[in-house]
Amino acid sequence: DAGITQSPRHKVTETGTPVTLRCHQTENHRYMYWYRQDPGHGLRLIHYSYGVKDTDKGEVSDGYSVSRSKTEDFLLTLESATSSQTSVYFCAISESGRQPQHFGDGTRLSIL
Amino acid sequence: GESVGLHLPTLSVQEGDNSIINCAYSNSASDYFIWYKQESGKGPQFIIDIRSNMDKRQGQRVTVLLNKTVKHLSLQIAATQPGDSAVYFCAESTLANAGGTSYGKLTFGQGTILTVHP
Repeated sequence: DAGITQSPRHKVTETGTPVTLRCHQTENHRYMYWYRQDPGHGLRLIHYSYGVKDTDKGEVSDGYSVSRSKTEDFLLTLESATSSQTSVYFCAISESGRQPQHFGDGTRLSIL
Repeated sequence: GESVGLHLPTLSVQEGDNSIINCAYSNSASDYFIWYKQESGKGPQFIIDIRSNMDKRQGQRVTVLLNKTVKHLSLQIAATQPGDSAVYFCAESTLANAGGTSYGKLTFGQGTILTVHP
């Protein structure tokens, strides 16, 4: 298994609260990604990073922000969670932009 | 936008049979394709990939076929085992440029549920 750890694995929180999800990798890969997975939509890219402090938006970035201060850590923040952000969130890494992405085991986030 | 779809949402096979999972893609600019397996409660697991300059690639018990003419790829699993039961996704990669670098933007299909009966 690729050395990817997501935390927490499960979280329940209330609408309007801030939430931060963490992705930690031990592979020293340059690229890191955050996806959400919802029934009927498949995996959709939220944000990605192509290096320390280098990030860009994906297709569903509204309401999310990210930060990458170290190669190994990529944080996803929901500044003010909404019920529409209830989902399973996956982090992925890749050695380069044109190599396979490898995924963590996800964070199941419920916003009540 | 462009999307990747699957012909069959579910597939049931007997243990020992060969399985074939199909995928259609619509973006002719896609030049790299990946198959993933996802088990319940886990993240997608890389199985095999193929680049557009190839039409076939083999791995351990798996083969991916790419037909660019009809924008179709398939995953063949030989001697399917109960442990192969999972959801299988195909993904297409298109070169995207952002922030002075390039990366492969992945578009995922919905997935096919493979059930293997002992």
